[in-house]
Amino acid sequence: SQTIHQWPATLVQPVGSPLSLECTVEGTSNPNLYWYRQAAGRGLQLLFYSVGIGQISSEVPQNLSASRPQDRQFILSSKKLLLSDSGFYLCAWRADTYEQYFGPGTRLTVT
Amino acid sequence: AQSVTQPDIHITVSEGASLELRCNYSYGATPYLFWYVQSPGQGLQLLLKYFSGDTLVQGIKGFEAEFKRSQSSFNLRKPSVHWSDAAEYFCAVAFSNAGNMLTFGGGTRLMVKP
Repeated sequence: SQTIHQWPATLVQPVGSPLSLECTVEGTSNPNLYWYRQAAGRGLQLLFYSVGIGQISSEVPQNLSASRPQDRQFILSSKKLLLSDSGFYLCAWRADTYEQYFGPGTRLTVT
Repeated sequence: AQSVTQPDIHITVSEGASLELRCNYSYGATPYLFWYVQSPGQGLQLLLKYFSGDTLVQGIKGFEAEFKRSQSSFNLRKPSVHWSDAAEYFCAVAFSNAGNMLTFGGGTRLMVKP
C-alpha cells in the first residue's frame, strides 16, 4: 500500500533563515505530487505541483520554491523565510482516480 | 473559475444527533467529488469519494454523501455523531477537464456537545 511521509513534523525558524521540507511517497510510481499550505484557521492553498522529475508548476507567487529530484521525493524550500511563511504545510500525491492522499504535515513557525 | 462552497463555517451538534454538512460546486465538466476530514494538527483523511453510478456513497467512520447533479451539491451526512467526529471537514472537487487539480471548499468546523 502507499504511504506518504513528511519531515520534520514541527519546525521553528527565525526570519531570514533557509527552509527545506521533505516529502516522500512509497508504494507508487511517478505520482503527481502537491504542496499545500494552511494558514491558521484557514483552508488549503495549493503552492506547487509536479507531474514528474524536474517538472514543477507554481500556483502562487512567493518566496518559496519546490524541487523534485527523484520520482517519489518532493522538496519545499526557501532561501529566506518571512513571518508570513508560518503555517501548516501538507504534501499530497494523486491517485489514478483523482483523489489525493495527504501526509501528516509540517508545522512551521517563523519567529 | 471552478469553485467549491461550504456555506457553514462552524456547526455544533449534540452527540448522538444527526449531521449534514453542505457542499456546492460551480457547474463545469464532469465532477469527481470528495470529502476529507482533518483533526487538529494532522493531515487530511479521505472519507469518501464519488465518481459515477449510485449517487449515494458510503464512506469510512459511518459517513455517507449524496450527489445531486441538479443542485450541484454533494452533502455529507451521518445519522448519529460521536464526540470523536469533532474536526474540520473539507469538500473537494476534481473536474474531468482538470483532473490534476482538486478544488477545495473553505471547510466546516464541527463541534460536538456532550
